[in-house]
Amino acid sequence: GAGVSQSPSNKVTEKGKDVELRCDPISGHTALYWYRQSLGQGLEFLIYFQGNSAPDKSGLPSDRFSAERTGGSVSTLTIQRTQQEDSAVYLCASSLAGLTFYEQYFGPGTRLTVT
Amino acid sequence: AQRVTQPEKLLSVFKGAPVELKCNYSYSGSPELFWYVQYSRQRLQLLLRHISRESIKGFTADLNKGETSFHLKKPFAQEEDSAMYYCALINGNEKLTFGTGTRLTIIP
Repeated sequence: GAGVSQSPSNKVTEKGKDVELRCDPISGHTALYWYRQSLGQGLEFLIYFQGNSAPDKSGLPSDRFSAERTGGSVSTLTIQRTQQEDSAVYLCASSLAGLTFYEQYFGPGTRLTVT
Repeated sequence: AQRVTQPEKLLSVFKGAPVELKCNYSYSGSPELFWYVQYSRQRLQLLLRHISRESIKGFTADLNKGETSFHLKKPFAQEEDSAMYYCALINGNEKLTFGTGTRLTIIP
């Protein structure tokens, strides 16, 4: 079946603009995760959804970052007033449930470049 | 705070030689550890998890709680093993903490 999809695949934006990144999880997966992969760094956890609620927002780097999930499916990650340090690959993953032994399936990522 | 350390950013190994990708962690609880792999132009995917005690594509990893390590090993490297490898730890809140990754290159 279809895997996790993300859009856009690439986004170039000017500093100060807002951007929205979209994630479509695998159908039936109740847990959804956002990560950020910056050049030379590992993957950084941003936020986790179980259904539509976000029990763990601890990784959001600043109040310019927000995320929502509606209908227990699609999620959007919004970055307001983008800064150059926001440039990274943003990865979304989903899993069957928020339990540790369920594998997380990753999307292809959105490469964000802030100029 | 939990942390995962992969000391080698780059590792080159000749085809047929043994491979060991190092991973050390710090976590106060009982950890669950994983290795994820990203082949060129492919998505990040799970390679193996310690609780399964499995061997995938010839790779194994043993959790050593005394040394707080979860090194990934393969006795004979193959060219298709060239990829980026990430060690990761998960806590009870489902937050995966990744290491910075090791780029493995197999030299033909």
